[in-house]
Amino acid sequence: IAGITQAPTSQILAAGRRMTLRCTQDMRHNAMYWYRQDLGLGLRLIHYSNTAGTTGKGEVPDGYSVSRANTDDFPLTLASAVPSQTSVYFCASSGQDSNEQFFGPGTRLTVL
Amino acid sequence: GQNIDQPTEMTATEGAIVQINCTYQTSGFNGLFWYQQHAGEAPTFLSYNVLDGLEEKGRFSSFLSRSKGYSYLLLKELQMKDSASYLCAVQDSNYQLIWGAGTKLIIKP
Repeated sequence: IAGITQAPTSQILAAGRRMTLRCTQDMRHNAMYWYRQDLGLGLRLIHYSNTAGTTGKGEVPDGYSVSRANTDDFPLTLASAVPSQTSVYFCASSGQDSNEQFFGPGTRLTVL
Repeated sequence: GQNIDQPTEMTATEGAIVQINCTYQTSGFNGLFWYQQHAGEAPTFLSYNVLDGLEEKGRFSSFLSRSKGYSYLLLKELQMKDSASYLCAVQDSNYQLIWGAGTKLIIKP
């Protein structure tokens, strides 16, 4: 692994189903983030984690939950997917020595 | 509220210079970032400004005026590969990034 990986790359999901998007980084970054990106809108922060064991709510947290059991992994769960959660989801991380955020390749999610 | 404004789309010619503007109103300021995002790909870091002035990095330069809530990204000697979206983001008082919607830059031969 080099950098940040996300899985799956894309997914079509029926409304009401539960879904977990996975994110793993190998840079030992303390902070991790989940964003969604929709056409015509900027990236919007869903949840973040400043360090393992802690999480916080971003701008659009409703319908999503996260956990941070260790430094490397930061999964995002949709408990009961709705069509408005159709989006491209990006995971990102940043280290203590830089403000720069590094992004994963994204997950394209379609909820029907 | 917090707001980041940048033009939706710009067109420029290969070899020319283009300036992409960004204005912001945020609760606190801890720096301004520019990212590049090619279609279907993840954003990648271009520049970071926290003090007023110009930061130059090869063909790309970024300028910041904190008193005016204004930044621009200057791209010189444009190449076809520079066709992408350019995202402006401000780090607020909570050190979270507030993102503009991005400027789609189209380069014509």
